[in-house]
Amino acid sequence: ETGVTQSPTHLIKTRGQQVTLRCSSQSGHNTVSWYQQALGQGPQFIFQYYREEENGRGNFPPRFSGLQFPNYSSELNVNALELDDSALYLCASSLGLGGSGELFFGEGSRLTVL
Amino acid sequence: AQKVTQAQTEISVVEKEDVTLDCVYETRDTTYYLFWYKQPPSGELVFLIRRNSFDEQNEISGRYSWNFQKSTSSFNFTITASQVVDSAVYFCALRQDTGRRALTFGSGTRLQVQP
Repeated sequence: ETGVTQSPTHLIKTRGQQVTLRCSSQSGHNTVSWYQQALGQGPQFIFQYYREEENGRGNFPPRFSGLQFPNYSSELNVNALELDDSALYLCASSLGLGGSGELFFGEGSRLTVL
Repeated sequence: AQKVTQAQTEISVVEKEDVTLDCVYETRDTTYYLFWYKQPPSGELVFLIRRNSFDEQNEISGRYSWNFQKSTSSFNFTITASQVVDSAVYFCALRQDTGRRALTFGSGTRLQVQP
């Protein structure tokens, strides 16, 4: 177990709706990043938060947004859901910035958009 | 731009066979990190190894070993005497040595170990 918890584990939405996914990082970790993993593919970086500020973003549209709270937990919000948003959303926590640190992943939230 | 290629989509072996998972990467950075993760059906990515671009020593950890060759931009992973519990999807990933800890993943190799 990595100590990173995500909720909900599964959810179903319809096209056009909005969704909020939550992540509790490992104790003491101040950096959270989010990844989208479509079926049969590798995870793709969405964005990263460090001390409540967005600190890097992948190639995702603005309808993907996030928050990080003072306790370093985080939310991923997706507006105007599209069918292609169906995926496993993974949260990872780590301590500080810099390339060498290990990321600890949660088990993900599986989103199905109908 | 960075890219990671795992050409083997799926591999099936019989228990106790050795198996090598291939990983080829592209980057313009001189300093970077390479990773291998295991993803069991539960979905969680389990960290296996991290290697920085200045350390080309091969590494062995129990039944696992890794071969990093900068000259061919490859970072291959070998499981010796495979076991059914090794069945999972394995991902190779690359990260720049910057403040942004974005991992670039390959598409993964699904390993099935048959009893």
